[in-house]
Amino acid sequence: EVQLVESGGGLVKPGGSLRLSCAGSGFTFSSYNMNWVRQTPGKGLEWVSSISGGSVYIYYADSVKGRFTVSRDDAKNSLYLQMNSLRTEDTALYYCARGGDSKILIRSNSFDPWGQGTLVTVSS
Amino acid sequence: QSVLAQPPSASGTPGQRVTISCSGASSNIESHNVNWYQQFPGAAPKLLIYANNGRPSGVPDRFSGSKSGTSASLAISGLQSEDEADYYCAAWDDSLNGLVFGGGTKVTVL
Repeated sequence: EVQLVESGGGLVKPGGSLRLSCAGSGFTFSSYNMNWVRQTPGKGLEWVSSISGGSVYIYYADSVKGRFTVSRDDAKNSLYLQMNSLRTEDTALYYCARGGDSKILIRSNSFDPWGQGTLVTVSS
Repeated sequence: QSVLAQPPSASGTPGQRVTISCSGASSNIESHNVNWYQQFPGAAPKLLIYANNGRPSGVPDRFSGSKSGTSASLAISGLQSEDEADYYCAAWDDSLNGLVFGGGTKVTVL
């Protein structure tokens, strides 16, 4: 069974940092593009970042560019999101989602499956 | 304000056909595949339609997607009570060089 499990969320003060992790299982992790999507409680979905297999291509939403860094460790079947200079508006449930095969351009990917999310709260 | 515009709500009685629109631009929907996601309260989103009109294994055939120009649509035929959920469209945007989601549509079964 394909599974994604996020961890690392928590309460952090504005200006602080947090590192999210996403552990994948049940599939060949290195062969897939991976993604982060967030959702503010009660609101819609917002794409955060995507990384291709082999970390060749990396994309960020303008709202997090320069503050967040996505990375992956294929040997550990893991995806990461390093979040710095956190703002109150970064408060959200952060989902990890598998994209398509790494041979497929990220812009053509659909996200399937999604993890259950990890909650990040930025508050003083 | 989302780049992709969806109606905030849609409703129908059991058995009816409900259609959800997703309006975009040449930089997103017209140029790229549209995917649709279904989300129940308290749950993670789930892929419902991929590449405009593809249905993943396990998705009932009462769900269908279409795309024309700068707009896409999700149709639910034979609406059932278990279809009550939020539905989101998504597509890559060349101007933003990133993925954009619609604001979501809450479907209510009356």
